[in-house]
Amino acid sequence: DIVMTQSPDSLAVSLGERATINCKSSQSVLYSSNNKNYLAWYQQKPGQPPKLLIYWASTRESGVPDRFSGSGSGTDFTLTISSLQAEDVAVYYCQQYYSTPPLFTFGPGTKVDIK
Amino acid sequence: QVQLVQSGAEVKKPGASVKVSCKASGYTFTSYGISWVRQAPGQGLEWMGWISAYNGNTNYAQKLQGRVTMTTDTSTSTAYMELRSLRSDDTAVYYCAREREELRAFDIWGQGTMVTVSS
Repeated sequence: DIVMTQSPDSLAVSLGERATINCKSSQSVLYSSNNKNYLAWYQQKPGQPPKLLIYWASTRESGVPDRFSGSGSGTDFTLTISSLQAEDVAVYYCQQYYSTPPLFTFGPGTKVDIK
Repeated sequence: QVQLVQSGAEVKKPGASVKVSCKASGYTFTSYGISWVRQAPGQGLEWMGWISAYNGNTNYAQKLQGRVTMTTDTSTSTAYMELRSLRSDDTAVYYCAREREELRAFDIWGQGTMVTVSS
């Protein structure tokens, strides 16, 4: 089974400071056929469904503020919030796609709070 | 606007079945797949499976094989997820989500349906 891990489990950051979340996959999510990493990041606020922030490891979804950025390739990825705002308090999940057999796996989540 | 609207909360007894609906609007239903994702209280996200709205092909998570069935009705742009032999640990919010195939990510989510399994 493919296992996704995230670190830390939670973090508290001062307003305006940087928040960094790491995600690691037990198998590479880089597809050599198109050089795409099928790794996405979601934000989930209490009582709401998840919201897509980043896909292909580093491409922001339309409408997502540019303080959110993604990086990494293969098995190791990072989500960075460059300047934390109050509305960024949420749980963040990474998600990968594996093709054989086709399946999606989410990481366990990282809770981000204000310090 | 593009949206997925799910059916309302359900309370079921252990051993029963539940069928949750997800009605799509604002886009061509058959051009996208739909996945179902569940979230137990206070827990993370668990992918349950996927269905192509184009041809009805499905892929289910291994742990749910044999208990889950996903279907679509293209005439009403509605996806369905049926889960049988319910157990207490099936208590969760169930979400449908539209998959953008080229991204292998979920860009539109339903509002969620709470399913409670309790005797």
